[in-house]
Amino acid sequence: DVKVTQSSRYLVKRTGEKVFLECVQDMDHENMFWYRQDPGLGLRLIYFSYDVKMKEKGDIPEGYSVSREKKERFSLILESASTNQTSMYLCASSSPGLAGSTDTQYFGPGTRLTVL
Amino acid sequence: SQQGEEDPQALSIQEGENATMNCSYKTSINNLQWYRQNSGRGLVHLILIRSNEREKHSGRLRVTLDTSKKSSSLLITASRAADTASYFCATDTSYGKLTFGQGTILTVHP
Repeated sequence: DVKVTQSSRYLVKRTGEKVFLECVQDMDHENMFWYRQDPGLGLRLIYFSYDVKMKEKGDIPEGYSVSREKKERFSLILESASTNQTSMYLCASSSPGLAGSTDTQYFGPGTRLTVL
Repeated sequence: SQQGEEDPQALSIQEGENATMNCSYKTSINNLQWYRQNSGRGLVHLILIRSNEREKHSGRLRVTLDTSKKSSSLLITASRAADTASYFCATDTSYGKLTFGQGTILTVHP
């Protein structure tokens, strides 16, 4: 059974704190993704990674960074958390698709982050 | 603006009825995917339809794709209360990335 796990289901942090969100997949997938989900805005891509130590900016990378030191682990870092980063954060992984397309993405359960 | 936009935003039906959700998009695609999200949880993949396919079935799910109209529909037949969830379409327009719509909230009343 495929599995993507995220380190926390709920997280409460203070403004200015450094926040780490961890994601681990056990499917040997090359691609990993971080999204945030907000009411009325749907899912928006923050960062993604095609391989170890590789990262690409998504649609809303400002205020975030990522780390991928091992194939199975993709971390999202909020260097200095702000209240507008309160959101649901979803991690996903996938295999590379055929001829440059995108294959099925497998999602973790999400981390609901509140920044006070 | 969103690449994929679902319609309607919310749908309320009785158990046993069919539910149809639509998705429109703006640019050419490699494939289109549908996902389901139960309240407060991660997304679960339902179906992937490639740009050269017109229709695909999976159990009670039927997806159509019309690339000339840049639209797709998801039909759930004989709906059940357990189908209550948000449904998202996602388009694959560039390598490795999906763009999600805002979703349709489906409520199935027992």
